[in-house]
Amino acid sequence: AQSVSQHNHHVILSEAASLELGCNYSYGGTVNLFWYVQYPGQHLQLLLKYFSGDPLVKGIKGFEAEFIKSKFSFNLRKPSVQWSDTAEYFCAVNGRSGGYQKVTFGIGTKLQVIP
Amino acid sequence: NAGVMQNPRHLVRRRGQEARLRCSPMKGHSHVYWYRQLPEEGLKFMVYLQKENIIDESGMPKERFSAEFPKEGPSILRIQQVVRGDSAAYFCASTSGRDSGETQYFGPGTRLLVL
Repeated sequence: AQSVSQHNHHVILSEAASLELGCNYSYGGTVNLFWYVQYPGQHLQLLLKYFSGDPLVKGIKGFEAEFIKSKFSFNLRKPSVQWSDTAEYFCAVNGRSGGYQKVTFGIGTKLQVIP
Repeated sequence: NAGVMQNPRHLVRRRGQEARLRCSPMKGHSHVYWYRQLPEEGLKFMVYLQKENIIDESGMPKERFSAEFPKEGPSILRIQQVVRGDSAAYFCASTSGRDSGETQYFGPGTRLLVL
C-alpha cells in the first residue's frame, strides 16, 4: 500500500523567507509525485509533478521540488515566499506498477505568510 | 470554461435528509474521482468511477453513501440520511484515463453543512 507523510502541518513565514515543505512517501515501486495547492476557499490546483527524468522539477509561481529516491522524499521549495502564497499544500503519490493505483494525498500543510 | 464543474457549491441539509452532489468532468475526460476534505484531516479518497462503472470504492463508507457515473450526465455522489459528521467539502477530480497517474483536475467542491 502507498502512503504519504507531510511533516509540517502549519508553517508561518515572513515574506521573503525561504520555504521548504517536507513530503515522504511509502511505496515499493515506481511512482508519480505531485504537489497541489489550495488557496483559501478555492479548489486544488496542480503546482508541479514528477513522472520521470530530471529529479528537480520546476513548477508554477517559482516553486520547485526535488525527488530523492533514496530518501523516498519529494520536498517542495521556494526561495522567497510572498503573502499570496498563503494556502494549503498537498503532496500526493501514485504508484505506477500493477495497473490502476489511486492517488494518495498527504494531510496537507497550511502555510501562512505574514507581510 | 471546460474545467471540472460541481454543483451545488454549498448545500445545507438537516439530519436525515438526502444530499446529492454533482460533478461534470472536464471535456474529454471520462474518469471521475471523489474526495472528502474534513478540517485538519486532509483529502480522503472515496471512489473512482468511469462511465457506467465503479472502479474503486474502497474509500467510501459502506452505508448511506453511493456514487454513479451514468453514460449521459454528471457523476453523482449521493448521501442518504445525512448526519452531522457528513459535513465536509466534497471535491471531484477528473482525468482522461489514458495514462495511469496522470494529473487530476479538480472541481471547486461542494461544501455540505448538516444541521
